[in-house]
Amino acid sequence: NAGVMQNPRHLVRRRGQEARLRCSPMKGHSHVYWYRQLPEEGLKFMVYLQKENIIDESGMPKERFSAEFPKEGPSILRIQQVVRGDSAAYFCASSPGTGLDYGYTFGSGTRLTVV
Amino acid sequence: AQKITQTQPGMFVQEKEAVTLDCTYDTSDQSYGLFWYKQPSSGEMIFLIYQGSYDEQNATEGRYSLNFQKARKSANLVISASQLGDSAMYFCAMQHTGSEKLVFGKGTKLTVNP
Repeated sequence: NAGVMQNPRHLVRRRGQEARLRCSPMKGHSHVYWYRQLPEEGLKFMVYLQKENIIDESGMPKERFSAEFPKEGPSILRIQQVVRGDSAAYFCASSPGTGLDYGYTFGSGTRLTVV
Repeated sequence: AQKITQTQPGMFVQEKEAVTLDCTYDTSDQSYGLFWYKQPSSGEMIFLIYQGSYDEQNATEGRYSLNFQKARKSANLVISASQLGDSAMYFCAMQHTGSEKLVFGKGTKLTVNP
């Protein structure tokens, strides 16, 4: 029973390029969350999605960032025209339901470096 | 506003000794959950232990226990019999009932010395 799979593990992009980060939730999990971890910081919530729906994107920057969780396939976090400040670790988590009765399972993260 | 404070940027402990990592939180809600995660140098986030705000007993999971003091709004992690493999960043986090967001502290870097 595979855990939350994120790829790539490491991603290097030049300023102005696009970054696409993928997350496959655990089998049976229909809720996906993205978090960002800046250097020397804790994780910060970005967005919460269910299949084909964005439920809460209150932590997403207003520009250049988007997320989707299509009916088929992984969830994608897309960062357009990356800048140096986007360099961070991006974590995906999934859960089978909502609320405190259901724990999160985190993936291993994608480390994005913008050069 | 929800806030998690971890006042110890770094902690050192001798192998086989116990260590307490501090966590205080700020909330006006009555129903919430508190979590501790471990992040080793390899970077993944590993769930350690959970405490519900209405749980009367302190949570325990193997060598991990959570010293929950609701009136003081603290949820300290106690690691007993430290091992070299416990060296890592440790994050305290909170989630409110009805919210899907985890709010994290800045973490404490624990180093276990042989």
